[in-house]
Amino acid sequence: QVQLVQSGAEVKKPGASVKVSCKASGYTFTAYYIHWVRQAPGQGLEWMGWINPNIGGTNYPPKFQGRITMTRDTSISTAYMELSNLGSDDTAVYYCARGNAVWGQGTLVTVSS
Amino acid sequence: DIQMTQSPSTLSASVGDTVTITCRASQNINSWLAWYQQKPGKAPKLLIHQASSLDNGVPSRFSGSGSGTQFTLIITSLQPDDFATYYCQQYTSYWTFGQGTKVEI
Repeated sequence: QVQLVQSGAEVKKPGASVKVSCKASGYTFTAYYIHWVRQAPGQGLEWMGWINPNIGGTNYPPKFQGRITMTRDTSISTAYMELSNLGSDDTAVYYCARGNAVWGQGTLVTVSS
Repeated sequence: DIQMTQSPSTLSASVGDTVTITCRASQNINSWLAWYQQKPGKAPKLLIHQASSLDNGVPSRFSGSGSGTQFTLIITSLQPDDFATYYCQQYTSYWTFGQGTKVEI
């Protein structure tokens, strides 16, 4: 079945970077964009951008430009989201999604000194 | 940027009720509108896409309508499993979510 499986929880110090992975299975990885969405504790959903796994093109909202990098490795059907210069307000669950319908299980990133 | 304004933020209801959640886009998004249900600790679950198309396996008590800038999600005969938070989302060339509506008892 179609699924996205994300990497495990991370704890980072302020100023560090985090890289979350999202492994796709059950479909042709290069055929669908992968989006990243985050959700801070008790808050709503925030879109962080997308990557086109076929050509590697990306689209980031202004809020994250300069601090976010989305990449992919087509040989292992995996997308990555790296966020740098972390602050406490980056503490959130990070989700990858294939279109609207298929979501990963989420990865908790905690930023704490 | 397209802003999505969802109301109400909280909705108190009982089993068997019909509830209505509205979502307004700051500019025309045609029918590029989805509705999600989210429960604590879980990823959002797609209910409706293209404003009114039910996703596979979603019960028919859920329905969506609207186009342009005004959209509605209606849940008829509310079931215990429906108590959750609901989000609208525009998905034109990028995504924006509404603030969410918590449906509680």
